[in-house]
Amino acid sequence: AQSVTQPDIHITVSEGASLELRCNYSYGATPYLFWYVQSPGQGLQLLLKYFSGDTLVQGIKGFEAEFKRSQSSFNLRKPSVHWSDAAEYFCAGSSGGQNFVFGPGTRLSVLP
Amino acid sequence: EADIYQTPRYLVIGTGKKITLECSQTMGHDKMYWYQQDPGMELHLIHYSYGVNSTEKGDLSSESTVSRIRTEHFPLTLESARPSHTSQYLCASSRRQVSSYNEQFFGPGTRLTVL
Repeated sequence: AQSVTQPDIHITVSEGASLELRCNYSYGATPYLFWYVQSPGQGLQLLLKYFSGDTLVQGIKGFEAEFKRSQSSFNLRKPSVHWSDAAEYFCAGSSGGQNFVFGPGTRLSVLP
Repeated sequence: EADIYQTPRYLVIGTGKKITLECSQTMGHDKMYWYQQDPGMELHLIHYSYGVNSTEKGDLSSESTVSRIRTEHFPLTLESARPSHTSQYLCASSRRQVSSYNEQFFGPGTRLTVL
């Protein structure tokens, strides 16, 4: 069965520190992969997406993600976290026009 | 900027009331979705639609119903609300094509509280 996992439920980093949020997928073929961010009480906003080609994808708000086929991973990174980055982050996969499979989410807290 | 709207944003009602959560999008997307999300938890797909007159049940069983009479409109109805329906409901839309960018665009959500 298709699945997307996010091993970390909650991560805390200090403002200015680097960030990496993990995402692993299980699909028969390489899926389309997405990262969304959700601020409290809001909907989801797309940060970036991967379909093919360059495995390092740039997104909005200074985020990037790297697709690694050998590790079935699509980890999200940011070199320097801002307090406004505190939110819930969801990784999602989709293949062949099927509905999205969302990971359980990782809550990011940022210390001043 | 995605154009998908949900009303109301917040709703507090008593048990047994009938409610309809509205969702509209102006992007001409064929596919639309309803997700249920408890605070701080994952998203659960409860309904989706491929287009006009198409409705499908999602992965999570729900007592709600949906309709799709117009492309841009995908309302969700609860005939008799119960406290167990208290949750956040997120609407989303996407293109239908298999091989193109089928990212989902989300509305701001409706937070429903049933007393």
